[in-house]
Amino acid sequence: EAGVAQSPRYKIIEKRQSVAFWCNPISGHATLYWYQQILGQGPKLLIQFQNNGVVDDSQLPKDRFSAERLKGVDSTLKIQPAKLEDSAVYLCASSLVEGLARDEQYFGPGTRLTVT
Amino acid sequence: DAKTTQPPSMDCAEGRAANLPCNHSTISGNEYVYWYRQIHSQGPQYIIHGLKNNETNEMASLIITEDRKSSTLILPHATLRDTAVYYCIVRVTYPYSGGGADGLTFGKGTHLIIQP
Repeated sequence: EAGVAQSPRYKIIEKRQSVAFWCNPISGHATLYWYQQILGQGPKLLIQFQNNGVVDDSQLPKDRFSAERLKGVDSTLKIQPAKLEDSAVYLCASSLVEGLARDEQYFGPGTRLTVT
Repeated sequence: DAKTTQPPSMDCAEGRAANLPCNHSTISGNEYVYWYRQIHSQGPQYIIHGLKNNETNEMASLIITEDRKSSTLILPHATLRDTAVYYCIVRVTYPYSGGGADGLTFGKGTHLIIQP
């Protein structure tokens, strides 16, 4: 089975520019997550989707970050305008069933963003 | 904030059992203990989870104390490929029909280094 796909793998932009990341979850997985991982720290949840609806975006900096999952499959995370502190790896994960503790999350390889 | 405490780093000789401790003294009755690991430049990978009974799968064993305030992940025969950051996570369960936010809250984890 194909895993979670993310693109691009690497991106370098200047501060105040905009950037977008794409994620394609495992086929049939209804739940999709975006995490931000700053160097030396564990991943931090930014947003969770169930199909095309938002379940949790409490930690998403909504003044500059946005995310969508229009058809309930792939998703895009956007940053506009970027700040230096947004330099991080952005990880996408998906899971098959929402809300069951037994369900594991499958992570993609991540997109490494460098803001200069 | 993460509800777990782990040592920042550990060494283990190749071929020996690696025992990774985790404290979760404030765990509540409906929270599971999950373990994920993250190999360098990859996304996190699910290892195992448990509620109160010990669990074993093809990757590892999970030992949870009777009071559930701590647990130990055991890699029975560590190899060089097991070098990674290991995250212990407590995660609340939700009823399937009313499933809510279930993103993972990562701490800094334990950097396990397997020595040849």
